[in-house]
Amino acid sequence: DAKTTQPPSMDCAEGRAANLPCNHSTISGNEYVYWYRQIHSQGPQYIIHGLKNNETNEMASLIITEDRKSSTLILPHATLRDTAVYYCIVREAGTYKYIFGTGTRLKVLA
Amino acid sequence: NAGVMQNPRHLVRRRGQEARLRCSPMKGHSHVYWYRQLPEEGLKFMVYLQKENIIDESGMPKERFSAEFPKEGPSILRIQQVVRGDSAAYFCASSPEASRNEQFFGPGTRLTVL
Repeated sequence: DAKTTQPPSMDCAEGRAANLPCNHSTISGNEYVYWYRQIHSQGPQYIIHGLKNNETNEMASLIITEDRKSSTLILPHATLRDTAVYYCIVREAGTYKYIFGTGTRLKVLA
Repeated sequence: NAGVMQNPRHLVRRRGQEARLRCSPMKGHSHVYWYRQLPEEGLKFMVYLQKENIIDESGMPKERFSAEFPKEGPSILRIQQVVRGDSAAYFCASSPEASRNEQFFGPGTRLTVL
């Protein structure tokens, strides 16, 4: 079964880069990796997704290892408003079932 | 363009009652996903629907839970004979097309079963 593993919590100083790792060693060859975040108990917010190549958008960068077994989400200049739980998500192959792990609780410190 | 809407935002039911949760997807979106989140846990996939069709319900409990997405109107997640263990936040998400596109989440419905 598809599964993701993330550290339960991380701290980051405001203005510094936040690097959030995720292990998804069971990902199948044609499934994407997605990142979402959840602030307080609101609905999750989409951040970025990728398949093989590194991706960048206005919110973050996504670095995917060549073997696709892990990835890192990078918030280049973290702000206090980036404090949230960050989820790395994969889809179970052959289904529409998106697997959320337990996420990383990122705390950005002033 | 309004986002995904869910109502009610908070719902209190007594054991044995029925709970109906509604989700209106974003305009132009015909794909809806339902998730459940227990306290301090990640979201768990329940069901994926397109208009008038259930595509994947592999995450739905076998009994008491059902979902629909009629041709007109919102998607409904229905829980019959609720028990305390059903207390959770229920989120729906929508997308314009199937699978690999990003999903847009609603604010959730917090169900409390007394």
